[in-house]
Amino acid sequence: GAVVSQHPSRVICKSGTSVKIECRSLDFQATTMFWYRQFPKQSLMLMATSNEGSKATYEQGVEKDKFLINHASLTLSTLTVTSAHPEDSSFYICSASATGGKQETQYFGPGTRLLVL
Amino acid sequence: AQSVAQPEDQVNVAEGNPLTVKCTYSVSGNPYLFWYVQYPNRGLQFLLKYITGDNLVKGSYGFEAEFNKSQTSFHLKKPSALVSDSALYFCAVLNYGGSQGNLIFGKGTKLSVKP
Repeated sequence: GAVVSQHPSRVICKSGTSVKIECRSLDFQATTMFWYRQFPKQSLMLMATSNEGSKATYEQGVEKDKFLINHASLTLSTLTVTSAHPEDSSFYICSASATGGKQETQYFGPGTRLLVL
Repeated sequence: AQSVAQPEDQVNVAEGNPLTVKCTYSVSGNPYLFWYVQYPNRGLQFLLKYITGDNLVKGSYGFEAEFNKSQTSFHLKKPSALVSDSALYFCAVLNYGGSQGNLIFGKGTKLSVKP
């Protein structure tokens, strides 16, 4: 089946630094990728929708300048947490829909655990 | 707006017994419903989905779910639970009206299967 990878799987950084998280579709092309955030013992909340070749669509309350999204190719989307602070510590999960595939079929990455000290 | 509700924070089941994890939905049109499982510090694994057709949907690892339109429910079931089924289970609905096809998740239900 389709595979989505995320890198890194875990990252610890100092407050004020920026962290880039990659989401790759390994064996299919993904026009659309989604970035979710999951707090401990809570559900996944959609942060933004990443579209190849165009600007990302952010959900209400998500700061565009804080969470930079780039979808430069059909297999890669990146989420950069700029000037990270401890409250940005969370589990970030991406998902991807195959180009030309059924919209409801989404494949999830394994997640990235971010800890900001 | 689309939404799903998982009324139980946790479900405890003895190994070998049947299990049910509840989910109800609220949508304006025909629902596209999903169940995912999440193991600690891992991403989501797809279990099954209902788009159309038979109300009883069979999925991975012996799980199944029954779509009930009158009760707006999509409960996850398994006839005989395994200890390895212990995980966090999420019900989700496809969001038509928002971003292009994102999923809206319930809060999750922790399933604990004891030997």
